[in-house]
Amino acid sequence: NAGVTQTPKFQVLKTGQSMTLQCAQDMNHEYMSWYRQDPGMGLRLIHYSVGAGITDQGEVPNGYNVSRSTTEDFPLRLLSAAPSQTSVYFCASSRTGLNEQYFGPGTRLTVT
Amino acid sequence: AQTVTQSQPEMSVQEAETVTLSCTYDTSESDYYLFWYKQPPSRQMILVIRQEAYKQQNATENRFSVNFQKAAKSFSLKISDSQLGDAAMYFCAYRGLTDMRFGAGTRLTVKP
Repeated sequence: NAGVTQTPKFQVLKTGQSMTLQCAQDMNHEYMSWYRQDPGMGLRLIHYSVGAGITDQGEVPNGYNVSRSTTEDFPLRLLSAAPSQTSVYFCASSRTGLNEQYFGPGTRLTVT
Repeated sequence: AQTVTQSQPEMSVQEAETVTLSCTYDTSESDYYLFWYKQPPSRQMILVIRQEAYKQQNATENRFSVNFQKAAKSFSLKISDSQLGDAAMYFCAYRGLTDMRFGAGTRLTVKP
């Protein structure tokens, strides 16, 4: 049981480039979420999904897209990277909307 | 929107002593969960303890316990017999049906 996996662990982008952060879970969890962590601000919710084919916006969705074609995978896409998107990104999953979430190891993204 | 406030950016405790980390939250929802997560330097988010809002009994997990005051919207974490491995960032988190919010975190230092 791998839990929640994220790739890559580190990434450097130039302003304007696009990329996809990958997230997968093998626990058959319905709920999956993406967060960003900035210094002094805790984690903030970007997008979440309550099941395959269903996604919704969180607190800070601008500049990010998501899709959920399978229960296992929940990729996060940056369409045109900006320096303000420099952050650590966490993916998480949970069995239901109120249970504790299991987090991936995070991706440190730097946009220059 | 729900908010979570951790008023102590940093705390320090002597090994084997007890420390309490504070957390307050604001919500109009009646059904929610509260969590404390630990984030060591590895940046992995680790669940410490959870509390269901409908339960009056305070949750405990070995050396970790909470003081949940629903009317006051307060959710503090007590760590007893502190160990060097407890040193980390601690995040208080609120989870409602459609939202999850984290506090800004408290950095706990454990002195030998």
